[in-house]
Amino acid sequence: DSGVTQTPKHLITATGQRVTLRCSPRSGDLSVYWYQQSLDQGLQFLIQYYNGEERAKGNILERFSAQQFPDLHSELNLSSLELGDSALYFCASSVGQGPENSPLHFGNGTRLTVT
Amino acid sequence: AQSVTQLDSQVPVFEEAPVELRCNYSSSVSVYLFWYVQYPNQGLQLLLKYLSGSTLVKGINGFEAEFNKSQTSFHLRKPSVHISDTAEYFCAAQTSGSRLTFGEGTQLTVNP
Repeated sequence: DSGVTQTPKHLITATGQRVTLRCSPRSGDLSVYWYQQSLDQGLQFLIQYYNGEERAKGNILERFSAQQFPDLHSELNLSSLELGDSALYFCASSVGQGPENSPLHFGNGTRLTVT
Repeated sequence: AQSVTQLDSQVPVFEEAPVELRCNYSSSVSVYLFWYVQYPNQGLQLLLKYLSGSTLVKGINGFEAEFNKSQTSFHLRKPSVHISDTAEYFCAAQTSGSRLTFGEGTQLTVNP
């Protein structure tokens, strides 16, 4: 058990809809990362937050947004969903920001299916 | 920015055989290297990491990796694999101030 909790585990929704994925980081970790894993694109970094502030942005679409709350949990919002958004979305956390503070601890992911 | 290339997408081996999963990286500055493992329906778990010091790094479950700066490689090895090692393995790299970059993954399948 990594200590990172993601909910829900599975989500099935229709195109055009909006969903929210939730992540609770490991106790004591201040950084939260979101990754998208799909068969054709592998593991893609989406966005990172550190202690409530956005710190790095990756290949995140404009239809997607995220935030980290004062209690350090994070939410990833996906809107105007398309079939191609179907993927496994992982949250990871770490104590700090840099590699010296790695490793990243990963949750078990949320599997999103858009029909 | 750094990049990571895993040279084999699939590696089938027999139980108790040795295995090597290959990873090359590119970076213009000092790099930190990691191997993660992903079992079916689970998140990624850190196997080992190289930050500095000895180039031979030992990890969990009997795995080890060697950092080779001249060849820009960080290959993962295990002298004798078990059925339970069947999983997807990801090599990753990070530099100070940048995010972790993953390779495409290598599916290791251990057959009886």
